[in-house]
Amino acid sequence: QKEVEQNSGPLSVPEGAIASLNCTYSDRGSQSFFWYRQYSGKSPELIMFIYSNGDKEDGRFTAQLNKASQYVSLLIRDSQPSDSATYLCAVNYPDSWGKLQFGAGTQVVVTP
Amino acid sequence: ETGVTQSPTHLIKTRGQQVTLRCSSQSGHNTVSWYQQALGQGPQFIFQYYREEENGRGNFPPRFSGLQFPNYSSELNVNALELDDSALYLCASSLFQGRGNEQFFGPGTRLTVL
Repeated sequence: QKEVEQNSGPLSVPEGAIASLNCTYSDRGSQSFFWYRQYSGKSPELIMFIYSNGDKEDGRFTAQLNKASQYVSLLIRDSQPSDSATYLCAVNYPDSWGKLQFGAGTQVVVTP
Repeated sequence: ETGVTQSPTHLIKTRGQQVTLRCSSQSGHNTVSWYQQALGQGPQFIFQYYREEENGRGNFPPRFSGLQFPNYSSELNVNALELDDSALYLCASSLFQGRGNEQFFGPGTRLTVL
């Protein structure tokens, strides 16, 4: 069982719609959760982080965390073609704040 | 612009050779983490350096080693290169502060081992 799991996609989303990405993790001791966006051929870019249960909003992005269910999600509202990328979920290893374990990523394709 | 820089951008080596990759952290950051990203996979944690010492290591053999310098820049060294070492090597810079540690990635070094 992978420690951080994401649907690989591709997730096809019409322009202007909401993209919903999900991530589950196996280590209950994890405390820090991150979403990165990675365009093809580029390095990951941090777009959201969340440490407490509940929702966190930043512009068109909302991260949701449920530690009891070991589940973190990312919503992208008003999706734009420029949002087409792979979205990586990252979770810290319980024994270290600085060690991140990543999922394999979900590819999002926003269609005009 | 994250401010994290890496060199070189691309590198081609043959099996058995050694390679050194370099990373300059973002201004104000004191921690550097290194990751390996194979095609179609998420980044895999190699190790992290804080105050010039290794501060955590992933499941990589000892032929992967590193350094951090007083200016917080860092090197990743890989000895006895294998074909499976071909990947994108990413350096991430952060400010060590306990919980959190938002990490910002550099552009990466694409290593090809022939």
